[in-house]
Amino acid sequence: GAGVSQSPSNKVTEKGKDVELRCDPISGHTALYWYRQSLGQGLEFLIYFQGNSAPDKSGLPSDRFSAERTGGSVSTLTIQRTQQEDSAVYLCASSLEHRAKNIQYFGAGTRLSVL
Amino acid sequence: GEDVEQSLFLSVREGDSSVINCTYTDSSSTYLYWYKQEPGAGLQLLTYIFSNMDMKQDQRLTVLLNKKDKHLSLRIADTQTGDSAIYFCAESINGGSQGNLIFGKGTKLSVKP
Repeated sequence: GAGVSQSPSNKVTEKGKDVELRCDPISGHTALYWYRQSLGQGLEFLIYFQGNSAPDKSGLPSDRFSAERTGGSVSTLTIQRTQQEDSAVYLCASSLEHRAKNIQYFGAGTRLSVL
Repeated sequence: GEDVEQSLFLSVREGDSSVINCTYTDSSSTYLYWYKQEPGAGLQLLTYIFSNMDMKQDQRLTVLLNKKDKHLSLRIADTQTGDSAIYFCAESINGGSQGNLIFGKGTKLSVKP
């Protein structure tokens, strides 16, 4: 595609519900990243994929968070039993390859609000 | 551990130059990046510099890197109101986390007409 696409752009949910966030990377990009951006904070790294594998899951805040990537393309980030502290903008990025020179292209994000 | 720090706010007048500063801690940083985030949007790459360079210029943007002091700056010449945004500094590091980007908290640039 022309750019990284994320859906939905906004999600309002009730505490305790599960949510799924979707990311469509740029076609041909093998690396995919998920970040969380809370109000007034920088970007918090969550997880990255090289192909369908996730070599680094160290940033996932708890076992309520999981992510998968299928076909080396689309990725979903799932948050189970959402809590109010999960409210944030979730950003996805993709790059040609995960290496030292890593130019990442970002989507517009999904703004998650947990009531 | 790795850390990237930036001042949180900068205010300038239209037509002036803006200088946004960033310090980082990891001496093994290989590439350093500047991203721009406009309201409601994702991050857009502005420019990047390899760690063996001191300076890179791209139109109105000048990046200066002082590797000894681990200091990076972004200068925007003739700042316009459209430059108002949050600017993030980021580094990519060697070692086990090679390729991971470490971001600062961002500097909010306000440009007054």
